[in-house]
Amino acid sequence: SQQGEEDPQALSIQEGENATMNCSYKTSINNLQWYRQNSGRGLVHLILIRSNEREKHSGRLRVTLDTSKKSSSLLITASRAADTASYFCATLRGMEYGNKLVFGAGTILRVKS
Amino acid sequence: NAGVTQTPKFQVLKTGQSMTLQCAQDMNHEYMSWYRQDPGMGLRLIHYSVGAGITDQGEVPNGYNVSRSTTEDFPLRLLSAAPSQTSVYFCASSPRDMAIYNSPLHFGNGTRLTVT
Repeated sequence: SQQGEEDPQALSIQEGENATMNCSYKTSINNLQWYRQNSGRGLVHLILIRSNEREKHSGRLRVTLDTSKKSSSLLITASRAADTASYFCATLRGMEYGNKLVFGAGTILRVKS
Repeated sequence: NAGVTQTPKFQVLKTGQSMTLQCAQDMNHEYMSWYRQDPGMGLRLIHYSVGAGITDQGEVPNGYNVSRSTTEDFPLRLLSAAPSQTSVYFCASSPRDMAIYNSPLHFGNGTRLTVT
């Protein structure tokens, strides 16, 4: 069963604009991770945020985590055509849920040049 | 540095056939796992291993077997292929048991399997 639910399912923006993707989940978690998948390729890890962290940055990426609302957001600033990909959030559930990493269905991002 | 290598890239099977999807990693990672990816469903965990000789079931293990005789290899066996197993299969590894060490997954490029 899916844990993370990404929103929106698809997003189309112009190059240079910011892209925001959201992820909601249902159970307690140890951490939340974001991955990118280019067409026909495997997933690539972008950023991991622990349950006791609220915000994390990596280059043009900013991730926030609100455990009270069970939600996270991924912001990509100054987007580029090369950012076109699918983006997945994954939550590492706690021991009571079997310590499993569970993926959402993803957001398809298209950056138009 | 090859990372996680999956073979074959594409495979077509007839219903009832068996086959093994290969996965090898050269990073000395303890944790390895298999996921399947279906449209609109994200990735679902099939089986995983926290070290050589140790395997466990994930979310959707039925119809699949795994073994982990070495640190490097984690093959996935389809016992009797069914059309419902048509999917893209990903192998992923992590340096340590990610449940304990907060370490992310490294993915292979996938095997696209069609069962007719």
